[in-house]
Amino acid sequence: DAKTTQPPSMDCAEGRAANLPCNHSTISGNEYVYWYRQIHSQGPQYIIHGLKNNETNEMASLIITEDRKSSTLILPHATLRDTAVYYCIVSPPFGNEKLTFGTGTRLTIIP
Amino acid sequence: DADVTQTPRNRITKTGKRIMLECSQTKGHDRMYWYRQDPGLGLRLIYYSFDVKDINKGEISDGYSVSRQAQAKFSLSLESAIPNQTALYFCATRDSTNYGYTFGSGTRLTVV
Repeated sequence: DAKTTQPPSMDCAEGRAANLPCNHSTISGNEYVYWYRQIHSQGPQYIIHGLKNNETNEMASLIITEDRKSSTLILPHATLRDTAVYYCIVSPPFGNEKLTFGTGTRLTIIP
Repeated sequence: DADVTQTPRNRITKTGKRIMLECSQTKGHDRMYWYRQDPGLGLRLIYYSFDVKDINKGEISDGYSVSRQAQAKFSLSLESAIPNQTALYFCATRDSTNYGYTFGSGTRLTVV
């Protein structure tokens, strides 16, 4: 699996856009970028995924660089409920079930 | 009702005891997983199953066993619990597309 690198922690003011970076310089051509978050000790929550095009859903946007070596998760209008640990994972969609969640980025939304 | 339900939510057990953690899902997904999370660490895969007749070891299967009783049910057993199995355990499901996992709320297990 490609290794990902994320900053251990970030702060963001409530109402502003939160931009969470992830480096995955060894990503393979068939690997997708997935983002999850974990609020306190709850089960991780799927946010978004993408292969090479930018993606947007009701929760967030995912921007993947053209060389696919890095990506940014954007929460457009952060709220206090977005305080969580955010995990960036790269994996092929099939054939690799041994998904590994690293230590992620602890995002704190400041009132 | 939650899509993925884990029972119990919390459990304290003694060293050497057998314990079973249960997971049921209403998503209709074929693939089910058991993960373990230790404080300050990420999640690690214990076992996974693609269907009732398919069981596979994950990254850290030693000391654990599983049973897929039905498409919707996947249980994790600790045959003889030891203190370093104290952790937060998550069950998850996934469908056959490349979409993400759906996780349960977790079981906090303490082995004393």
